[in-house]
Amino acid sequence: NAGVMQNPRHLVRRRGQEARLRCSPMKGHSHVYWYRQLPEEGLKFMVYLQKENIIDESGMPKERFSAEFPKEGPSILRIQQVVRGDSAAYFCASSRMMGQPSGNTIYFGEGSWLTVV
Amino acid sequence: QQPVQSPQAVILREGEDAVINCSSSKALYSVHWYRQKHGEAPVFLMILLKGGEQKGHEKISASFNEKKQQSSLYLTASQLSYSGTYFCGTGEGAQKLVFGQGTRLTINP
Repeated sequence: NAGVMQNPRHLVRRRGQEARLRCSPMKGHSHVYWYRQLPEEGLKFMVYLQKENIIDESGMPKERFSAEFPKEGPSILRIQQVVRGDSAAYFCASSRMMGQPSGNTIYFGEGSWLTVV
Repeated sequence: QQPVQSPQAVILREGEDAVINCSSSKALYSVHWYRQKHGEAPVFLMILLKGGEQKGHEKISASFNEKKQQSSLYLTASQLSYSGTYFCGTGEGAQKLVFGQGTRLTINP
């Protein structure tokens, strides 16, 4: 997991506020994935992005959640009007490219722990 | 669709062996194994890309049965450091990676 940088590591928000989580992929990686992990549960896929393009957002809640990966800068996962149920660990991962054996591995960042109070 | 892992939890004494299974109702393009310790990020263990493939990583190895749409992770002579939750991830359409619910492994001295 070395190289995928996430910040902040811990974030506390009051209900109704916005949370922004940032992820810089490993050097040379152009694909970013966001996963959510509730306490004592598994990793739930949220969204898969390439630069300036959302490839698969089938795991994203329909409202309040959005993600982007601009041409310049980190990928951002944005949660508007947070509720207590949004409290979770949000992991970013990156890869060179899915579908290519040499680049098929995804590496995780250290995670961002969101607490909504 | 999420792959299914079994068992959900295992408790071993140091030096014992364990097998963790991962199965899917869909055709598998690849199987990825990760270990996560509490409060930390998942760490990549190995990837299997085709049916019949077997790989090893120290005393941890895995196999991939493409026809049965399943993979197994083998931990031999377990060490205390092997404790954690193990996740299998299956590649769907060579795009996203979908993970099983995890298997919690506890190694006692």
